Amino acid sequence: AQTVTQSQPEMSVQEAETVTLSCTYDTSESDYYLFWYKQPPSRQMILVIRQEAYKQQNATENRFSVNFQKAAKSFSLKISDSQLGDAAMYFCAYRRGGGGADGLTFGKGTHLIIQP
Amino acid sequence: NAGVTQTPKFQVLKTGQSMTLQCAQDMNHNSMYWYRQDPGMGLRLIYYSASEGTTDKGEVPNGYNVSRLNKREFSLRLESAAPSQTSVYFCASRPDRIGQPQHFGDGTRLSIL
Repeated sequence: AQTVTQSQPEMSVQEAETVTLSCTYDTSESDYYLFWYKQPPSRQMILVIRQEAYKQQNATENRFSVNFQKAAKSFSLKISDSQLGDAAMYFCAYRRGGGGADGLTFGKGTHLIIQP
Repeated sequence: NAGVTQTPKFQVLKTGQSMTLQCAQDMNHNSMYWYRQDPGMGLRLIYYSASEGTTDKGEVPNGYNVSRLNKREFSLRLESAAPSQTSVYFCASRPDRIGQPQHFGDGTRLSIL
C-alpha cells in the first residue's frame, strides 16, 4: 500500500517570505500523480498544484512550485511571497497512474501559519 | 456551476441511528468518492465508484454502505451510527481524463453522541 508522509505538523513564516513544505511517499509504482491541496478554515479542499511522475520538469503555478525528486520519492511545495490568504492546512496526496478510478492517499497535513 | 454538492452540511446523531449523506455532481464525471477526515489526519478513502452501478471499498469501509444509482449521485449510508464515525465527510468526483485532480464538495460535519 502507498503511504504519504508529511513530517512537519506546523510551519510558520513571515508574510512575503518563502516557505517549503515537505512530503515524502512510498510506492512501488512507476506511473503516478502527486497533488498538493489547500484546506482553509472554511473546510474546502482546493487544488494547489499537481505533478505527473513521468514528467521531469517541476510544476509551477504562480507563487507555488514543487521540487519533485522521483528517486528520493520526495515532493515538496514551495510558496514564494507568502500572503495572509495562504494560511491553511496543506495536504500532499498520491494517486496511482493508469485509467482506474483509484482514490487519493493523503498525508496528515501541515498547518501553515503566516505571520503579518 | 455547482460542482459537487453535499447535503446536509451538519448533522448530529445518537448512537444506533441511521443516516444517509447525499452527494451530487453536475460535471458529468464517472468516478466519485467518499472520504472521511478525522482531527490530525488527512482524508481517508471510504468507498469509490468508477461508474453508475459499480462501487468498491477503500481504506476504511467498515460500518458504511454506498449507492451509485445514477451518474450524478453517490450516497453514503451509516446503518447504525457509532461515536467512532464522528468525522467530517467529503464527497469528490474526477474527470475521466487520466491524471486529472478530484473536485471536492464542502464536506458534512457529522457528530454521533
